[in-house]
Amino acid sequence: NAGVTQTPKFQVLKTGQSMTLQCAQDMNHNSMYWYRQDPGMGLRLIYYSASEGTTDKGEVPNGYNVSRLNKREFSLRLESAAPSQTSVYFCASNLDSGGYSNQPQHFGDGTRLSIL
Amino acid sequence: AQKITQTQPGMFVQEKEAVTLDCTYDTSDPSYGLFWYKQPSSGEMIFLIYQGSYDQQNATEGRYSLNFQKARKSANLVISASQLGDSAMYFCAMRDPFSGSARQLTFGSGTQLTVLP
Repeated sequence: NAGVTQTPKFQVLKTGQSMTLQCAQDMNHNSMYWYRQDPGMGLRLIYYSASEGTTDKGEVPNGYNVSRLNKREFSLRLESAAPSQTSVYFCASNLDSGGYSNQPQHFGDGTRLSIL
Repeated sequence: AQKITQTQPGMFVQEKEAVTLDCTYDTSDPSYGLFWYKQPSSGEMIFLIYQGSYDQQNATEGRYSLNFQKARKSANLVISASQLGDSAMYFCAMRDPFSGSARQLTFGSGTQLTVLP
């Protein structure tokens, strides 16, 4: 069972470069999420998509864009990378039919991104 | 705004003993959910246990249980009979369906647990 797959696993960029982090899930989940994890700060939500065709900002959206390409795929784009965006990025998905739900989010293995 | 507080940056426990990881939360809504995740050194996030605010009983999953004290707004994770493989970072998270971002999780800063042989 693949679950949530993120690519790439590691990436080094120079300041100002752009790149797209890819995420795909095979669990037929409706909601998908992008988080970043920095030391000592837990995970913080960047963007999420409640369903295909919709996206919303999370806690820390500045410097990022997202695309919900279809139900399976949710990509995160850094248009002009900055050193402050050095982090570990996690994609997650959730079955979530809306409202109160006990469904846990399922996470990918993360992408370690370094901006020089 | 939601807030999750984990006051123990690091914890040590002897193998085979029980350990409690603290989590307090802040919300003004009566309906919410609390999740615990484990993150081993390999980096993946593993879901452990869930507690709903209206659940009558404390959640249990194998060696994991939640000490849920609603009036005190605490949801502490108890790991019984610790194993070396339990060494990891543990995150508490809350989901508030009536918040602006209804489906998002708010995470605490985590507790690094080390199990000693």
